[in-house]
Amino acid sequence: LAKTTQPISMDSYEGQEVNITCSHNNIATNDYITWYQQFPSQGPRFIIQGYKTKVTNEVASLFIPADRKSSTLSLPRVSLSDTAVYYCLVGDRGNKLVFGAGTILRVKS
Amino acid sequence: GAGVSQSPRYKVTKRGQDVALRCDPISGHVSLYWYRQALGQGPEFLTYFNYEAQQDKSGLPNDRFSAERPEGSISTLTIQRTEQRDSAMYRCASQAGNTGELFFGEGSRLTVL
Repeated sequence: LAKTTQPISMDSYEGQEVNITCSHNNIATNDYITWYQQFPSQGPRFIIQGYKTKVTNEVASLFIPADRKSSTLSLPRVSLSDTAVYYCLVGDRGNKLVFGAGTILRVKS
Repeated sequence: GAGVSQSPRYKVTKRGQDVALRCDPISGHVSLYWYRQALGQGPEFLTYFNYEAQQDKSGLPNDRFSAERPEGSISTLTIQRTEQRDSAMYRCASQAGNTGELFFGEGSRLTVL
């Protein structure tokens, strides 16, 4: 399983763009990169998934360079309600899916 | 059902008792995962199933922990002879196919006194 490394925490202000980078140097060919968001007292919630290049949905963008050894979750114009823990998972989607420690994002007014 | 349902939501038990935690996944979802989450930590993988087959149980801490999914739908995580260190939130998630998108239930908070 690919090991992931993320910053422990990040601070931002409302209205700013936030970029959270995840390192996964030993990513395998069949591995996808998936990001989850977790609020206190709730289970993680799927945000976005990608294999290579760029993926965008209504909440976030995911940038993956050609070597796939890292990925960046981009949250545009964050609000206070985006304060949460963000997890980067790397793995073969049909197999064991392992969460790391995640990044605590604090959005301030 | 509409989402993943877990029961009980809260369980307080005395050390040495057995507990069974139930997970009812989203109808039709092939894969079912169990995680344990301590306060301030990420979810810790325990085990997962595809249909009724347990595919990986490498995360189960010891032989007091077991899980089953006999008909490929509802799953039960059983902890025998509970210990205080077993206290945690136990989370279940299901996945439609090999999508990588897990849908989590609300969790079962276990407290062992």
